[in-house]
Amino acid sequence: SQQGEEDPQALSIQEGENATMNCSYKTSINNLQWYRQNSGRGLVHLILIRSNEREKHSGRLRVTLDTSKKSSSLLITASRAADTASYFCATRPTGTASKLTFGTGTRLQVTL
Amino acid sequence: EAGVTQFPSHSVIEKGQTVTLRCDPISGHDNLYWYRRVMGKEIKFLLHFVKESKQDESGMPNNRFLAERTGGTYSTLKVQPAELEDSGVYFCASSRGLGTSIEKLFFGSGTQLSVL
Repeated sequence: SQQGEEDPQALSIQEGENATMNCSYKTSINNLQWYRQNSGRGLVHLILIRSNEREKHSGRLRVTLDTSKKSSSLLITASRAADTASYFCATRPTGTASKLTFGTGTRLQVTL
Repeated sequence: EAGVTQFPSHSVIEKGQTVTLRCDPISGHDNLYWYRRVMGKEIKFLLHFVKESKQDESGMPNNRFLAERTGGTYSTLKVQPAELEDSGVYFCASSRGLGTSIEKLFFGSGTQLSVL
């Protein structure tokens, strides 16, 4: 079974609105990362939050982490058409320095 | 700094044929990963190289898949013989290899493989 599952699978909003995506995972983790993928391109790292952090900001991005619920959320404020992409959470389980485990992603569509 | 490059960007082959995908990581990155995304599903880990050694190949589906990284530079992923269920986007990623858990990965644009 997959480690990370994003919710919702797809999200459509208008420019200027906020977008919230959620991620749930199963095992204890060292950290959780969010990546973005534009159509036909590779994944790009957005932000990393460590297991001892609860909230982190980077520009218009805000990430929260609740290790008791094994969940994270990514908030994009004042969305733009250029934010249209798929967003993936990725986890690195405790005790591993190796692979990141990704989920199915949330497809975000921002319309004008 | 050049990014991770993958070749080809698209490949269409018939069932039973052989295909070889190539990945050139960022220069100096010891870690190289292969991932695959089948239509609409999660991005699944295939394997991880540290330099030329296979660190973790637990995600390789079966023995029709062979990955190599001779000399610890570029890597190839060969599928022989290809089956219909091998279709998907194959991503390569690299990282410096600092031995920490906070490393981020740098991804290539992927190879879209279609097996007909």
